Amino acid sequence: EVRLVESGGALVQPGGSLRLSCAASGFTFSDHYMDWVRQAPGKGLEWVGRSRNRANSYTTDYAASVKGRFTISRDVSENSLYLQMTSLKTEDTAVYYCTRGYCDTTGYQGLDYWGQGTLVTVSS
Amino acid sequence: QPVLTQPPSASGTPGQRVTISCSGSSSNIGDNFVYWFQQLPGTAPKLLFYKNNQRPSGVPDRFSGSKSGTSASLAISGLRSEDEADYFCAAWDGSLSEVFFGGGTKLTVL
Repeated sequence: EVRLVESGGALVQPGGSLRLSCAASGFTFSDHYMDWVRQAPGKGLEWVGRSRNRANSYTTDYAASVKGRFTISRDVSENSLYLQMTSLKTEDTAVYYCTRGYCDTTGYQGLDYWGQGTLVTVSS
Repeated sequence: QPVLTQPPSASGTPGQRVTISCSGSSSNIGDNFVYWFQQLPGTAPKLLFYKNNQRPSGVPDRFSGSKSGTSASLAISGLRSEDEADYFCAAWDGSLSEVFFGGGTKLTVL
């Protein structure tokens, strides 16, 4: 069974830093893309960034709104995905979802599993 | 100006057919696949379609996805009360190297 469990959400002051974790299980972690997607309270979905799979050298891409402030990394030995967030702004307040971007022999197939989300609140 | 544009709301009565549109540009929908997600109240989103019109296992065939040019559509036939949810489209934008979601459409079953 595929499971994604996020942790690390907290209340943090503007300008502060926070690291979110996502524990993955039930699949070969290195074979698939892993994305972070966030949702501000009462708002729509916003893509945060992506860590591609081993076949694509774990390259990363980020939304313009977080580029230079957020960093995605993964520890394949621990089957864990991380989101390091720095210089946090009030507009970063959101539920952050860890998602799997399923890949098969034909390539990327979409964000097929989502965690339950972890809430990050940026406020003084 | 959002990159992907969806109507904020849609509605229908049980048994009706409802369509939700997603409009983009040549650098996103025009050149890349479209994905659709359903988010029921208080839950994480669920993948409804990948690669424009491919339905993951478990998604009823009452749901269908299509793409033409720089627009995509999600159609739901035989509307049921449990279809009441927020629906989001998404696509990669090759010019901006980002994934964009549409603003979401809140579907109400009257």
